[in-house]
Amino acid sequence: QVQLVESGGGVVQPGTSLRLSCAGSGFTFRSYAMHWLRQAPGKGPEWVAVISFDGNNDYYADSVKGRFTVSKDNSKNTVFLHMSSLRPDDTATYYCAKATTTVARRGWFDPWGQGTLVTVSP
Amino acid sequence: QSALTQPASVSGSPGQSITISCTGTSSDVGNYNLVSWYQHHPGKVPKLIIHEVTKRPSGISNRFSGSKSGNTASLTISGLRAEDEADYYCCSYVHFTTPKWVFGGGTKVTVL
Repeated sequence: QVQLVESGGGVVQPGTSLRLSCAGSGFTFRSYAMHWLRQAPGKGPEWVAVISFDGNNDYYADSVKGRFTVSKDNSKNTVFLHMSSLRPDDTATYYCAKATTTVARRGWFDPWGQGTLVTVSP
Repeated sequence: QSALTQPASVSGSPGQSITISCTGTSSDVGNYNLVSWYQHHPGKVPKLIIHEVTKRPSGISNRFSGSKSGNTASLTISGLRAEDEADYYCCSYVHFTTPKWVFGGGTKVTVL
């Protein structure tokens, strides 16, 4: 079955950087776009970023554009989220999710990984 | 503030039916048949239960059904069971200059 495992979360100070990883298995990783989403405590999910199957196209939520970068290594079945200039309002559980398309548009999220917690605090 | 509007909570007794609304705009919910719904039990992973407004993934009970009218999508849970107690989120695809996905703030379903 499809499995997604995130790693890399932790407690960091404002202004610093962090890289999250998401390893996929149980499906042809190179054939699917991948998403990052996040959920702050007590709030609904927020879509963060998407990358196309081949890594050539990526799009971002306005709240992270210019600070976060998504990348995909199909040789390692892994998608990354590089986060910089982190702010306290970036504090959330970050999930990766498999897209239902090859391209970075349309579709929905299925399944989601178990999530990794990022806390941005002085 | 979330882009899509959901009621904060809905409750019902076992066996009853409940409906959760998800109101967007003519740019998102009203413009695409790409509304999806997710069930989230605390401490677990969000799970897709409806996609493309009305379609159920394999393995999802037919007690869950989706619909849309104008800018409002709805999720109905019929024959309510204790295990349905969870948070439910709607999501819509939207594309202005670039693709994006917008969520509702979530609805807590309580089984009385």
